[in-house]
Amino acid sequence: EVKLLESGGGLIQPGGSLRLSCAASGFTFSTYVMSWVRQTPGKGLEWVSSISGSGDIPHYADSVKGRFTISRDNSEKTLSLQMNSLSAEDTAIYYCAKDLNYFDSSGYPHDAFDIWGQGTMVTVSS
Amino acid sequence: DIQMTQSPSSLSASVGDRVTITCRASQSIGSYLNWYQQKVGKAPNLLIYAASTLQTGVPSRFGGSRSGTDFILTISNLQPEDSATYFCQQTYSSLYTFGHGTKLEIK
Repeated sequence: EVKLLESGGGLIQPGGSLRLSCAASGFTFSTYVMSWVRQTPGKGLEWVSSISGSGDIPHYADSVKGRFTISRDNSEKTLSLQMNSLSAEDTAIYYCAKDLNYFDSSGYPHDAFDIWGQGTMVTVSS
Repeated sequence: DIQMTQSPSSLSASVGDRVTITCRASQSIGSYLNWYQQKVGKAPNLLIYAASTLQTGVPSRFGGSRSGTDFILTISNLQPEDSATYFCQQTYSSLYTFGHGTKLEIK
């Protein structure tokens, strides 16, 4: 069974740091782009960051660029998100998600998140 | 960033009804549009990708279509278990963006 399990969330003070982890199982982890998506009641779903299967190509939302770092350990089948300089606006449920790895008839890749973890809550508050 | 405008924000329908949810992109995104269903307390679940391709295991009552920068999710023969919030997502730009969601209530 394909599964993703996040951990590392919690209560953190503004300006602090937190590291989220996502343990993957049931698929060949290194061949898939992996992402972090967060959700708040007010702002809905927000893509945060993605990383290529090899780990050498990260992408970040403007809202977290320079503060968050995505990484992966393919030998351990683990995805991570290092979050620094946290503020109240970062309070959310954080999901890790696996890319579908779909290519259309012309050979172009279409990204979509076909497997999600259960999410981990991050609360930034003093 | 590409903006995704989803409408309506909420709707109510009866079992057996057919409903449509629309997502409009702020610029051309080809067919790089996905639809997700999210039930209360759960993670989102992929329904449709590449605008109209049904994800494995998703009932054929769900369908997706595209007209220019407008994308439509159609749910036919509504079932009680379809009560959820539905989100669209563009993946044309590497800065993926989601619509704000449509909450579907089954009367």
